[in-house]
Amino acid sequence: NAGVTQTPKFRVLKTGQSMTLLCAQDMNHEYMYWYRQDPGMGLRLIHYSVGEGTTAKGEVPDGYNVSRLKKQNFLLGLESAAPSQTSVYFCASSRGGDNQPQHFGDGTRLSIL
Amino acid sequence: GQNIDQPTEMTATEGAIVQINCTYQTSGFNGLFWYQQHAGEAPTFLSYNVLDGLEEKGRFSSFLSRSKGYSYLLLKELQMKDSASYLCAVLDSNYQLIWGAGTKLIIKP
Repeated sequence: NAGVTQTPKFRVLKTGQSMTLLCAQDMNHEYMYWYRQDPGMGLRLIHYSVGEGTTAKGEVPDGYNVSRLKKQNFLLGLESAAPSQTSVYFCASSRGGDNQPQHFGDGTRLSIL
Repeated sequence: GQNIDQPTEMTATEGAIVQINCTYQTSGFNGLFWYQQHAGEAPTFLSYNVLDGLEEKGRFSSFLSRSKGYSYLLLKELQMKDSASYLCAVLDSNYQLIWGAGTKLIIKP
């Protein structure tokens, strides 16, 4: 019973490098989300998707891109990493609808040097 | 702007009761969630309130007052495993979740 799986769990990048964070869910959820979590701050929404082939910007989208080619996968890309993007990244999914909770992956700890 | 306030840290004793408060000012309201997050782990869902009143779920209860923009999470019979951060999140008028910074709860024997 995997739920939401994120890869990798840890990564260190140099400024200017690119990478893609992978998120997969096996609950047949329509909605998927990417958040970042920084010390002393609430989770901040980067991008989200309400279905296969759709994406939308969240609160802090700059410097990130996403794709949802398959319903079960949601990819987060950093084209040119910056130290300000050092954070813990969480992927989540939900059925959608007002009272549906989001289910989170274990997070990716990303450091940009 | 949108704002959710929670105490940064609270300490309580094993076996006791603790109340974690959350006040919010958001553009619209479509429900309030509480999540638990152990250090280094993912947030996990605890409760959802959309109507005023108390929702009880075992040792955990959550209360909402929409007119006051206020909620609390009540934890009874505290156990050491309850040491975690508790996150309050409000679903705004655009159905986006706005998250508080979380309350770190420390349980002492």
